[in-house]
Amino acid sequence: DAGVIQSPRHEVTEMGQEVTLRCKPISGHDYLFWYRQTMMRGLELLIYFNNNVPIDDSGMPEDRFSAKMPNASFSTLKIQPSEPRDSAVYFCASSLTGPGPQHFGDGTRLSIL
Amino acid sequence: GESVGLHLPTLSVQEGDNSIINCAYSNSASDYFIWYKQESGKGPQFIIDIRSNMDKRQGQRVTVLLNKTVKHLSLQIAATQPGDSAVYFCAENRGGTYKYIFGTGTRLKVLA
Repeated sequence: DAGVIQSPRHEVTEMGQEVTLRCKPISGHDYLFWYRQTMMRGLELLIYFNNNVPIDDSGMPEDRFSAKMPNASFSTLKIQPSEPRDSAVYFCASSLTGPGPQHFGDGTRLSIL
Repeated sequence: GESVGLHLPTLSVQEGDNSIINCAYSNSASDYFIWYKQESGKGPQFIIDIRSNMDKRQGQRVTVLLNKTVKHLSLQIAATQPGDSAVYFCAENRGGTYKYIFGTGTRLKVLA
């Protein structure tokens, strides 16, 4: 079975530009999570969805960040406008109903110049 | 994933020896715990989990121990192999939510 698929794997862009990160969760998983990983702060939860509905976005750092899940097989995380401090690795993860292991994608390494 | 920090605690173990990686968790109300392995350029990968009604759980070559009294979790890897070299994270979950708090990680280096 295919795991969680993220794209792009790497993104380099100039500050002020809009950045869109994409995620395809594992089929049948009801929960989708977006995380950010940095050297300073480790792995932080940004937002999670249940059945395509955002449940908790308290980890989203600013209004510049937004996330959507238009259907069960696709989610986006958008940063507009981007800033250098947004540089990090962004992970998407999904899980079945109920607390349990989350399955992570291989991340998008984002560099804002 | 990338290297998660220049100052990650590092455990160096001889190939074939057993490894023990420790984690202190923060919330006494947490009732579910996971160990993840993260290799360079990859996302965290599930290794083993344990619920708070247990104090030990075994998998293939791995054992997780939970001490709720002192809020401590450990991961034991038997007969450590070069492929075990990675960063290992514990994650805690408080019942009723789907928010996981991740530890800072430990880098395991396996020496040939």
